[in-house]
Amino acid sequence: KAGVTQTPRYLIKTRGQQVTLSCSPISGHRSVSWYQQTPGQGLQFLFEYFSETQRNKGNFPGRFSGRQFSNSRSEMNVSTLELGDSALYLCASSPQRGETQYFGPGTRLLVL
Amino acid sequence: AQSVTQPDIHITVSEGASLELRCNYSYGATPYLFWYVQSPGQGLQLLLKYFSGDTLVQGIKGFEAEFKRSQSSFNLRKPSVHWSDAAEYFCAVGARSNAGNMLTFGGGTRLMVKP
Repeated sequence: KAGVTQTPRYLIKTRGQQVTLSCSPISGHRSVSWYQQTPGQGLQFLFEYFSETQRNKGNFPGRFSGRQFSNSRSEMNVSTLELGDSALYLCASSPQRGETQYFGPGTRLLVL
Repeated sequence: AQSVTQPDIHITVSEGASLELRCNYSYGATPYLFWYVQSPGQGLQLLLKYFSGDTLVQGIKGFEAEFKRSQSSFNLRKPSVHWSDAAEYFCAVGARSNAGNMLTFGGGTRLMVKP
């Protein structure tokens, strides 16, 4: 089976812009979670989607949002980008909620 | 609230030497526990997991970990380290139910291997 794929792999944006990141889960996986990784804060949970519904959200401002489609693919959006949003954004999928999560390679976002 | 502590930020070992990476967790009940490894510029690769049963779990690449409930620990071990094991290692705790999919990670331990 193909692993979790994320596009694009690298992005450069400027402050105030918005960005959309995409994640395709492993075939048959219905749960998709997003994490932000920064040198200062480490790995932090952003949100989880299951059956096209956001089930959990981490402690992030409303500028961070996401959605899940009927084929389980997910997108996350960050509006009004700030310098501190520069990070590696990781997507993970699992067959069902509460099961082992498998991670994609990440999208590295640089905000200038 | 759940939390994970990895006390060692950096560890350097010689190739062929044994390795133990420490992980302590805080969780209200028996958690799901994971070790992931990350090479530079890459995502996270699952090394092993503990859900239930035997407290000594085997993973990929010759790694093993032992769940010790009394010590709230889940330390990762390898008897003989290879140069290719140099990477960052993350311990994580997850909810033991289908009520949540949030993983809480430790700060990571960066492993360097001396030739």
